[in-house]
Amino acid sequence: NAGVMQNPRHLVRRRGQEARLRCSPMKGHSHVYWYRQLPEEGLKFMVYLQKENIIDESGMPKERFSAEFPKEGPSILRIQQVVRGDSAAYFCASSRREGLNEQFFGPGTRLTVL
Amino acid sequence: GENVEQHPSTLSVQEGDSAVIKCTYSDSASNYFPWYKQELGKRPQLIIDIRSNVGEKKDQRIAVTLNKTAKHFSLHITETQPEDSAVYFCAASSSGGGADGLTFGKGTHLIIQP
Repeated sequence: NAGVMQNPRHLVRRRGQEARLRCSPMKGHSHVYWYRQLPEEGLKFMVYLQKENIIDESGMPKERFSAEFPKEGPSILRIQQVVRGDSAAYFCASSRREGLNEQFFGPGTRLTVL
Repeated sequence: GENVEQHPSTLSVQEGDSAVIKCTYSDSASNYFPWYKQELGKRPQLIIDIRSNVGEKKDQRIAVTLNKTAKHFSLHITETQPEDSAVYFCAASSSGGGADGLTFGKGTHLIIQP
């Protein structure tokens, strides 16, 4: 039973390029959350999605960042025109349903912006 | 929004001794409080959680207590072992309003001295 999968594990981009991060939830999970972790800091909630719906994007910057979770395929976090400050580890988590349910994390994508 | 404070930021204990990490939260609507362990370069892993309808939960050497009146919760690790060395994060969330993203504390770096 595969856990939450993320790819790529490491991503290097130059300033101004686009970064696309993918997340496949655990089997049977239909809720996906994206978090950002800066070095030596905790995780910051960005966005919560269910299939084809964004439920809460209150933690995601309004510009350059977008997320989707299509009916088929993984959830995608897209960062356009990356800047050095976007360098961080991006984790996705999934849960079986909303409410008081455990969130299981993927291995993360470490984004480095040169 | 929710704000979670975590203390201490670093905790060093002798192997075999107990470790206690404390967190406070601000939103009285929060009703789910998980704890995650993160080893260097790895994903956060859920180690224990507690819901607001209970005051204490125990799982072998790990226990969590919750005081809803005071809005604080704590992680207790007894008989610490070298493999307990990691960064521990507390988190809080509420299921109301469809916003189920976790709000994390900044983490506690637990060091077990042999």
